[in-house]
Amino acid sequence: EDKVVQSPLSLVVHEGDTVTLNCSYEVTNFRSLLWYKQEKKAPTFLFMLTSSGIEKKSGRLSSILDKKELFSILNITATQTGDSAVYLCAVEAMNYGGATNKLIFGTGTLLAVQP
Amino acid sequence: KAGVTQTPRYLIKTRGQQVTLSCSPISGHRSVSWYQQTPGQGLQFLFEYFSETQRNKGNFPGRFSGRQFSNSRSEMNVSTLELGDSALYLCASSSLGQGAAGYGYTFGSGTRLTVV
Repeated sequence: EDKVVQSPLSLVVHEGDTVTLNCSYEVTNFRSLLWYKQEKKAPTFLFMLTSSGIEKKSGRLSSILDKKELFSILNITATQTGDSAVYLCAVEAMNYGGATNKLIFGTGTLLAVQP
Repeated sequence: KAGVTQTPRYLIKTRGQQVTLSCSPISGHRSVSWYQQTPGQGLQFLFEYFSETQRNKGNFPGRFSGRQFSNSRSEMNVSTLELGDSALYLCASSSLGQGAAGYGYTFGSGTRLTVV
């Protein structure tokens, strides 16, 4: 059965700290791995990773994928209170026809950044 | 550029009733997926439509169904509602075509369904 596991489940840090969120997966017909940030309702897109070892960066956030060991990490440096949210990792899986058509989500990591 | 629009935002229904939720994708996007989010199970895939065809379906009972129209708008229907159907229902649109490289999925704000 396909599964995506995130750790830790929750994390409390102080502003300015650096955090690393983990995501491991076992998914048949892997296409890509995506990270989302969910504050209230709509998850907002952060990164899509398809190739191993290539870091993607956006401001203080960065992410990398290891397709051999089947995991990804999301780093946030110099955290701010506005980073408080649930961070979701999802793997995009293809069906037998090769069409990409579903995301398998982890349960998320709840990050709380204290002033 | 308008985002993904879901209506209604909130719904309260009674057990045994049925409900229809609507999702309008980003203009030009042909793929619409539906997800159920609950505190215990997280985000779970319901089904995905592309060009009016259901391409994949998750592990949900037959009470959950959907369709997509020629303008790519999608609806999902839940019949004979149960208390356990209370959840946030999210839809996501994507420009993905058959076998094309993905550019991510954009989520709507969801419909909060409460079954009493």
